[in-house]
Amino acid sequence: AQSVTQLGSHVSVSEGALVLLRCNYSSSVPPYLFWYVQYPNQGLQLLLKYTSAATLVKGINGFEAEFKKSETSFHLTKPSAHMSDAAEYFCAVSDSGGYQKVTFGTGTKLQVIP
Amino acid sequence: DVKVTQSSRYLVKRTGEKVFLECVQDMDHENMFWYRQDPGLGLRLIYFSYDVKMKEKGDIPEGYSVSREKKERFSLILESASTNQTSMYLCASSFWAGVGTGELFFGEGSRLTVL
Repeated sequence: AQSVTQLGSHVSVSEGALVLLRCNYSSSVPPYLFWYVQYPNQGLQLLLKYTSAATLVKGINGFEAEFKKSETSFHLTKPSAHMSDAAEYFCAVSDSGGYQKVTFGTGTKLQVIP
Repeated sequence: DVKVTQSSRYLVKRTGEKVFLECVQDMDHENMFWYRQDPGLGLRLIYFSYDVKMKEKGDIPEGYSVSREKKERFSLILESASTNQTSMYLCASSFWAGVGTGELFFGEGSRLTVL
């Protein structure tokens, strides 16, 4: 069975500071990995995804994530936080076969302090 | 623009009522999903469907049923709503495994309160 662990349910950063949101996964088969963002009272939208091509994946709004197989990690980073980045972020994993059932982490709420 | 539309953004129901949550997608996706979102628990899969009239239980199917009579529409049914079903419900869709990567497209969510 696959699973996702997000370290830190709440993260606060100052505007302009580095954003680092941590995600570790477990999967019995080569995974697809995703980061989604959710703004208040909205559904989730895709930030970026890893599908076994480049290990460093660039997404929307200046975010990127690096797939590290040896560490089973897929941490999300952004060099400089903006106020508009305040939202909840979810890491997710799907297996590469079957119905591609997607398993989500419990989410990390990012607060950006002016 | 791709779209997943959930019929109601906010609902208030009474204990014991039957509740229907409707979801329609216009992307010709094979797979459709219902998730429940609660603070601190993330998203938990209730049911999913990979074809018309097909359904599979997710991680928390108890107290719910689903219907998929047409490819674009996936309904979640609470036969007898209870207060512990107060939650945000999210519908999503994706391409079938042979084409897609599992990337999900989400609706805006339906916030259900059961009194």
